[in-house]
Amino acid sequence: DAKTTQPTSMDCAEGRAANLPCNHSTISGNEYVYWYRQIHSQGPQYIIHGLKNNETNEMASLIITEDRKSSTLILPHATLRDTAVYYCIVRVAQGNKLVFGAGTILRVKS
Amino acid sequence: EAGVVQSPRYKIIEKKQPVAFWCNPISGHNTLYWYRQNLGQGPELLIRYENEEAVDDSQLPKDRFSAERLKGVDSTLKIQPAELGDSAVYLCASSYGQGETQYFGPGTRLLVL
Repeated sequence: DAKTTQPTSMDCAEGRAANLPCNHSTISGNEYVYWYRQIHSQGPQYIIHGLKNNETNEMASLIITEDRKSSTLILPHATLRDTAVYYCIVRVAQGNKLVFGAGTILRVKS
Repeated sequence: EAGVVQSPRYKIIEKKQPVAFWCNPISGHNTLYWYRQNLGQGPELLIRYENEEAVDDSQLPKDRFSAERLKGVDSTLKIQPAELGDSAVYLCASSYGQGETQYFGPGTRLLVL
């Protein structure tokens, strides 16, 4: 599975959009980009995933560049409850192992 | 829909004692995973089950760790004897099948003294 690079930490003002970047320059054509987050003392929570096209669900939007070498997770209106560690993971379509990196610590501040 | 259930949530034991963690996956999920998360790090896969069969246990320290999923639903992860370095959060996850999205439980936080 391809390696991902994320910033160590980011701050965001409450009510503003939070844009979390992820680099995956070695991604292969059959690898998906997954995003999970982990709020303190809880298990990782699935957010969204995509292959080529941009994706949106009730939690977030995922923007994948045309060359697929990077992506951005967008939380449109961040709240204090969105403070968490956000993990960007690349995984093959039939792969089963989620390889977590260190993730990005997002702090939403009032 | 109920999520992945794990118990206990917290466990404190002395080294050399045995300990067991229990996981009930989301109903209908055939694939079950156990991960270990050390402080400040991301989770790492220990073992994966497809129904009753352990299909990937390459990262499970087999000298002291064991796991079972007898009826293809609930699973138990055991450590015997526990060592100080086993202090971590043990997470269970499940998915409909191979390659599907994994959903995690809240984890069991183990402290070995």
